[in-house]
Amino acid sequence: EAGVAQSPRYKIIEKRQSVAFWCNPISGHATLYWYQQILGQGPKLLIQFQNNGVVDDSQLPKDRFSAERLKGVDSTLKIQPAKLEDSAVYLCASSPRQGGDTQYFGPGTRLTVL
Amino acid sequence: GQNIDQPTEMTATEGAIVQINCTYQTSGFNGLFWYQQHAGEAPTFLSYNVLDGLEEKGRFSSFLSRSKGYSYLLLKELQMKDSASYLCAVKGGSYIPTFGRGTSLIVHP
Repeated sequence: EAGVAQSPRYKIIEKRQSVAFWCNPISGHATLYWYQQILGQGPKLLIQFQNNGVVDDSQLPKDRFSAERLKGVDSTLKIQPAKLEDSAVYLCASSPRQGGDTQYFGPGTRLTVL
Repeated sequence: GQNIDQPTEMTATEGAIVQINCTYQTSGFNGLFWYQQHAGEAPTFLSYNVLDGLEEKGRFSSFLSRSKGYSYLLLKELQMKDSASYLCAVKGGSYIPTFGRGTSLIVHP
């Protein structure tokens, strides 16, 4: 079974530029999560999708971050414009259902904002 | 809101036993997870507790007390490869997961 795929793996941009990350969850997984993990901290949930609907985006900085999950499969996370404090690893995870299921994480995208 | 607390760092000797504690305060409860994360890698699932008691899986065990808002991860027969960050995560009443900051475990010879 293929795992969660993410691209790119690394990205370096200058502040005020835009960037987009892509995630392909495990086939058949209804729930998809985007996390931000700053060095030395635990993952912080940015947005949770159930199929193509948003379950929670309370911690997503909506003035600069946006995310979508078209057709309930792949998802993209965009930052526009980026700030220095956005430097982090962006993790995508999926689970079969919204309930107590285990989350399976992708390898992450390491973003550096200069 | 939800609050997860775990020690920042622990050290232990190869072959020994270590217990990593996690305390939490949540609105509702739908399960507690432990993940292992090696430096530069994604978290990988270790254990899941939704009922009180001990869950054992090889060298790793996880305990939960819902009334105390407390869990621990027990690692036995420590190996050098166990050096990693251990993340406690809780799903509250809304099934939204919250992660702790992680406990960095250093295993030395």
